[in-house]
Amino acid sequence: DTEVTQTPKHLVMGMTNKKSLKCEQHMGHRAMYWYKQKAKKPPELMFVYSYEKLSINESVPSRFSPECPNSSLLNLHLHALQPEDSALYLCASSRGNSNQPQHFGDGTRLSIL
Amino acid sequence: AQTVTQSQPEMSVQEAETVTLSCTYDTSESDYYLFWYKQPPSRQMILVIRQEAYKQQNATENRFSVNFQKAAKSFSLKISDSQLGDAAMYFCAYRSVPIKIIFGKGTRLHILP
Repeated sequence: DTEVTQTPKHLVMGMTNKKSLKCEQHMGHRAMYWYKQKAKKPPELMFVYSYEKLSINESVPSRFSPECPNSSLLNLHLHALQPEDSALYLCASSRGNSNQPQHFGDGTRLSIL
Repeated sequence: AQTVTQSQPEMSVQEAETVTLSCTYDTSESDYYLFWYKQPPSRQMILVIRQEAYKQQNATENRFSVNFQKAAKSFSLKISDSQLGDAAMYFCAYRSVPIKIIFGKGTRLHILP
Protein backbone atom coordinates (compact mmCIF):
# COMPACT_ATOMS: atom_id res chain seq x y z
CA ASP A 1 0.00 0.00 0.00
CA THR A 2 1.30 3.37 -0.99
CA GLU A 3 1.41 6.12 1.62
CA VAL A 4 0.93 8.75 -1.06
CA THR A 5 -2.43 8.41 -2.76
CA GLN A 6 -3.06 9.80 -6.22
CA THR A 7 -6.41 10.06 -7.96
CA PRO A 8 -7.48 9.31 -10.56
CA LYS A 9 -5.20 6.48 -11.69
CA HIS A 10 -6.08 7.09 -15.31
CA LEU A 11 -7.46 10.19 -17.03
CA VAL A 12 -8.36 10.80 -20.65
CA MET A 13 -9.26 14.33 -21.59
CA GLY A 14 -9.67 16.53 -24.60
CA MET A 15 -7.55 19.56 -25.26
CA THR A 16 -10.34 21.93 -24.24
CA ASN A 17 -11.23 20.18 -20.99
CA LYS A 18 -10.41 21.27 -17.46
CA LYS A 19 -9.50 18.56 -14.98
CA SER A 20 -7.55 18.17 -11.76
CA LEU A 21 -5.15 15.60 -10.41
CA LYS A 22 -5.15 15.01 -6.68
CA CYS A 23 -2.50 13.82 -4.27
CA GLU A 24 -2.82 13.13 -0.56
CA GLN A 25 -0.41 12.05 2.17
CA HIS A 26 -0.87 11.65 5.91
CA MET A 27 2.73 11.14 6.95
CA GLY A 28 3.14 14.71 8.23
CA HIS A 29 5.48 15.54 5.38
CA ARG A 30 5.93 19.25 4.70
CA ALA A 31 7.31 19.07 1.18
CA MET A 32 5.29 17.87 -1.80
CA TYR A 33 6.26 17.49 -5.44
CA TRP A 34 4.82 17.03 -8.90
CA TYR A 35 6.78 15.16 -11.56
CA LYS A 36 6.07 14.37 -15.20
CA GLN A 37 7.34 11.06 -16.54
CA LYS A 38 7.21 10.09 -20.20
CA ALA A 39 7.46 6.44 -21.17
CA LYS A 40 10.91 4.94 -20.62
CA LYS A 41 12.22 8.29 -19.35
CA PRO A 42 13.18 9.52 -15.89
CA PRO A 43 10.82 11.72 -13.88
CA GLU A 44 11.14 15.44 -14.52
CA LEU A 45 10.47 17.78 -11.63
CA MET A 46 7.66 20.26 -12.23
CA PHE A 47 6.77 21.87 -8.91
CA VAL A 48 7.82 21.77 -5.27
CA TYR A 49 5.75 22.96 -2.34
CA SER A 50 7.45 23.50 0.98
CA TYR A 51 5.28 24.24 4.01
CA GLU A 52 2.35 24.82 1.64
CA LYS A 53 4.17 27.48 -0.33
CA LEU A 54 5.33 27.06 -3.90
CA SER A 55 9.11 27.03 -3.76
CA ILE A 56 10.05 25.60 -7.14
CA ASN A 57 8.44 25.98 -10.57
CA GLU A 58 10.66 24.40 -13.19
CA SER A 59 9.45 26.67 -15.99
CA VAL A 60 6.27 24.67 -16.39
CA PRO A 61 3.68 26.04 -18.89
CA SER A 62 0.78 27.91 -17.32
CA ARG A 63 -1.69 25.30 -18.53
CA PHE A 64 -0.50 23.37 -15.46
CA SER A 65 -1.54 25.07 -12.23
CA PRO A 66 -0.54 23.57 -8.88
CA GLU A 67 -2.36 24.15 -5.63
CA CYS A 68 -1.60 23.09 -2.06
CA PRO A 69 -4.79 23.63 0.01
CA ASN A 70 -3.19 22.20 3.15
CA SER A 71 -0.16 20.23 4.25
CA SER A 72 -1.73 16.90 3.28
CA LEU A 73 -3.13 17.77 -0.13
CA LEU A 74 -1.64 18.71 -3.45
CA ASN A 75 -3.59 19.35 -6.62
CA LEU A 76 -2.57 19.87 -10.21
CA HIS A 77 -5.14 21.73 -12.27
CA LEU A 78 -5.06 21.08 -15.99
CA HIS A 79 -6.45 23.29 -18.74
CA ALA A 80 -5.99 23.41 -22.51
CA LEU A 81 -3.39 20.66 -22.51
CA GLN A 82 -1.55 19.52 -25.61
CA PRO A 83 -1.05 15.93 -26.86
CA GLU A 84 2.60 16.09 -25.80
CA ASP A 85 1.41 16.51 -22.21
CA SER A 86 0.33 12.87 -22.20
CA ALA A 87 2.46 11.20 -19.54
CA LEU A 88 2.52 9.66 -16.10
CA TYR A 89 2.22 12.35 -13.44
CA LEU A 90 3.83 11.42 -10.16
CA CYS A 91 3.28 13.04 -6.81
CA ALA A 92 5.82 12.69 -4.01
CA SER A 93 6.29 13.94 -0.49
CA SER A 94 9.17 14.20 1.95
CA ARG A 95 9.84 15.51 5.43
CA GLY A 96 11.33 18.58 3.87
CA ASN A 97 15.00 18.11 4.51
CA SER A 98 17.22 17.46 1.52
CA ASN A 99 18.58 14.21 2.90
CA GLN A 100 15.13 12.78 3.43
CA PRO A 101 13.88 10.48 0.68
CA GLN A 102 10.77 11.16 -1.29
CA HIS A 103 7.77 8.88 -1.03
CA PHE A 104 6.02 8.50 -4.36
CA GLY A 105 2.46 7.78 -5.30
CA ASP A 106 1.44 5.35 -8.03
CA GLY A 107 0.89 8.19 -10.46
CA THR A 108 -1.90 9.30 -12.77
CA ARG A 109 -1.66 8.13 -16.36
CA LEU A 110 -2.87 11.10 -18.41
CA SER A 111 -3.84 10.87 -22.06
CA ILE A 112 -4.71 13.96 -24.10
CA LEU A 113 -6.87 13.38 -27.15
CA ALA B 1 24.66 22.67 -14.47
CA GLN B 2 24.28 19.45 -12.60
CA THR B 3 24.02 16.20 -14.54
CA VAL B 4 23.44 12.55 -13.68
CA THR B 5 24.59 9.82 -16.05
CA GLN B 6 23.66 6.17 -16.01
CA SER B 7 25.64 4.57 -18.81
CA GLN B 8 23.93 1.16 -18.75
CA PRO B 9 20.44 1.30 -20.30
CA GLU B 10 19.87 -2.41 -19.55
CA MET B 11 21.54 -5.12 -17.54
CA SER B 12 20.85 -8.76 -16.82
CA VAL B 13 21.96 -10.88 -13.90
CA GLN B 14 21.42 -14.47 -12.91
CA GLU B 15 19.29 -15.02 -9.84
CA ALA B 16 21.42 -15.17 -6.65
CA GLU B 17 24.34 -13.42 -8.37
CA THR B 18 25.69 -9.94 -7.74
CA VAL B 19 25.26 -6.98 -10.08
CA THR B 20 26.56 -3.42 -10.03
CA LEU B 21 24.75 -0.49 -11.60
CA SER B 22 26.83 2.57 -12.37
CA CYS B 23 26.02 6.23 -11.89
CA THR B 24 28.17 9.30 -12.32
CA TYR B 25 27.23 12.86 -11.67
CA ASP B 26 28.61 16.32 -12.10
CA THR B 27 28.12 19.22 -9.73
CA SER B 28 29.93 22.18 -8.29
CA GLU B 29 27.83 22.11 -5.14
CA SER B 30 29.32 20.93 -1.87
CA ASP B 31 26.05 20.07 -0.13
CA TYR B 32 24.12 17.35 -1.92
CA TYR B 33 22.55 13.95 -1.51
CA LEU B 34 22.38 10.92 -3.73
CA PHE B 35 19.66 8.31 -3.98
CA TRP B 36 18.87 5.12 -5.82
CA TYR B 37 15.20 4.56 -6.58
CA LYS B 38 13.55 1.48 -8.03
CA GLN B 39 10.51 1.62 -10.30
CA PRO B 40 8.91 -1.76 -11.03
CA PRO B 41 6.46 -2.13 -13.92
CA SER B 42 3.69 -1.38 -11.41
CA ARG B 43 5.22 2.12 -11.63
CA GLN B 44 5.49 3.21 -7.99
CA MET B 45 8.94 4.66 -7.34
CA ILE B 46 10.53 3.20 -4.20
CA LEU B 47 13.67 4.34 -2.39
CA VAL B 48 16.42 1.74 -2.40
CA ILE B 49 19.25 3.57 -0.65
CA ARG B 50 20.58 7.07 0.01
CA GLN B 51 23.96 8.64 0.62
CA GLU B 52 24.87 12.01 2.10
CA ALA B 53 27.81 13.52 0.24
CA TYR B 54 29.52 14.61 3.45
CA LYS B 55 29.63 11.03 4.73
CA GLN B 56 32.62 8.97 3.67
CA GLN B 57 31.11 5.67 4.75
CA ASN B 58 29.23 3.85 2.02
CA ALA B 59 25.55 3.29 2.72
CA THR B 60 24.22 -0.25 3.07
CA GLU B 61 20.66 -1.57 3.21
CA ASN B 62 20.49 -5.35 3.48
CA ARG B 63 21.43 -6.72 0.04
CA PHE B 64 21.93 -3.23 -1.40
CA SER B 65 25.11 -1.22 -0.98
CA VAL B 66 26.75 1.71 -2.71
CA ASN B 67 30.29 2.52 -3.71
CA PHE B 68 30.48 6.28 -3.29
CA GLN B 69 33.61 7.87 -4.74
CA LYS B 70 33.18 11.59 -4.12
CA ALA B 71 36.31 12.74 -5.91
CA ALA B 72 35.39 10.73 -8.97
CA LYS B 73 31.72 11.76 -8.64
CA SER B 74 30.68 8.14 -8.86
CA PHE B 75 27.81 6.47 -7.03
CA SER B 76 27.31 2.84 -8.03
CA LEU B 77 24.74 0.43 -6.62
CA LYS B 78 25.61 -3.17 -5.82
CA ILE B 79 22.84 -5.72 -5.46
CA SER B 80 23.89 -8.97 -3.83
CA ASP B 81 22.02 -12.27 -4.01
CA SER B 82 19.75 -10.93 -6.76
CA GLN B 83 16.12 -11.93 -6.52
CA LEU B 84 13.33 -12.00 -9.09
CA GLY B 85 11.63 -9.15 -7.25
CA ASP B 86 14.64 -6.93 -7.95
CA ALA B 87 13.66 -6.69 -11.61
CA ALA B 88 12.83 -3.05 -12.25
CA MET B 89 14.06 0.25 -13.64
CA TYR B 90 16.67 1.74 -11.32
CA PHE B 91 17.16 5.49 -11.22
CA CYS B 92 20.09 7.31 -9.70
CA ALA B 93 19.01 10.70 -8.32
CA TYR B 94 20.82 13.81 -7.16
CA ARG B 95 19.45 16.45 -4.84
CA SER B 96 21.17 19.64 -3.73
CA VAL B 97 20.49 22.58 -1.47
CA PRO B 98 18.82 24.82 -2.65
CA ILE B 99 16.49 22.36 -4.25
CA LYS B 100 17.68 20.84 -7.48
CA ILE B 101 16.51 17.32 -8.20
CA ILE B 102 17.86 15.40 -11.17
CA PHE B 103 17.28 11.79 -12.13
CA GLY B 104 19.50 9.73 -14.40
CA LYS B 105 17.96 8.06 -17.44
CA GLY B 106 17.69 4.75 -15.62
CA THR B 107 18.96 1.21 -15.94
CA ARG B 108 16.51 -1.59 -16.68
CA LEU B 109 17.55 -4.61 -14.62
CA HIS B 110 16.47 -8.10 -15.69
CA ILE B 111 16.81 -11.06 -13.33
CA LEU B 112 17.33 -14.39 -15.06
CA PRO B 113 15.92 -17.43 -13.24
